[in-house]
Amino acid sequence: DQQVKQNSPSLSVQEGRISILNCDYTNSMFDYFLWYKKYPAEGPTFLISISSIKDKNEDGRFTVFLNKSAKHLSLHIVPSQPGDSAVYFCAASALGNQFYFGTGTSLTVIP
Amino acid sequence: EPEVTQTPSHQVTQMGQEVILRCVPISNHLYFYWYRQILGQKVEFLVSFYNNEISEKSEIFDDQFSVERPDGSNFTLKIRSTKLEDSAMYFCASSPTEGLMGAKNIQYFGAGTRLSVL
Repeated sequence: DQQVKQNSPSLSVQEGRISILNCDYTNSMFDYFLWYKKYPAEGPTFLISISSIKDKNEDGRFTVFLNKSAKHLSLHIVPSQPGDSAVYFCAASALGNQFYFGTGTSLTVIP
Repeated sequence: EPEVTQTPSHQVTQMGQEVILRCVPISNHLYFYWYRQILGQKVEFLVSFYNNEISEKSEIFDDQFSVERPDGSNFTLKIRSTKLEDSAMYFCASSPTEGLMGAKNIQYFGAGTRLSVL
């Protein structure tokens, strides 16, 4: 049951460049999406959210884009910094509080 | 900054034994959750808890699992008879009251408890 998919298990980007992490979902009832960042030995840390009434949300270096017709969202980090190296999870929910997580993308920012 | 704390960080148990994982959610939060992540797999929802009762649970959360808020601060997950396949990281999360107009609230996660069933 893969309602949320992150098809790229890893991504490497040069410091200062843009990182683009992608996420696809299958459930058209999903109306709220979160991105979490996770360092080793720590729990997921909230990064940025977007609801289905918007197609873009920006917070500093982080921007999330939502394409409802394509059931696709992406996280843009610009400029990327070495401290951004972590595993990034997208998560989606419908009417309840249960969030469905993707399998994560491991981002490495090369100094 | 307030945070969700989980104890222990690592729990080793024998198959068939009962185990209790403990969590202290953020103090003014009212919704509580347990998730698990089997090594190399995605984070999976187990259960949500509000107003002293389960509000949602997944297929994973069978009769072997139970949750409890024994006092005003702790939130526990009990596995009655552990199986090898219960070995995973277990994350507790909490969120404030659900917002108006169905607006969702961000779930804040603890660092997790690694459960190893031998």
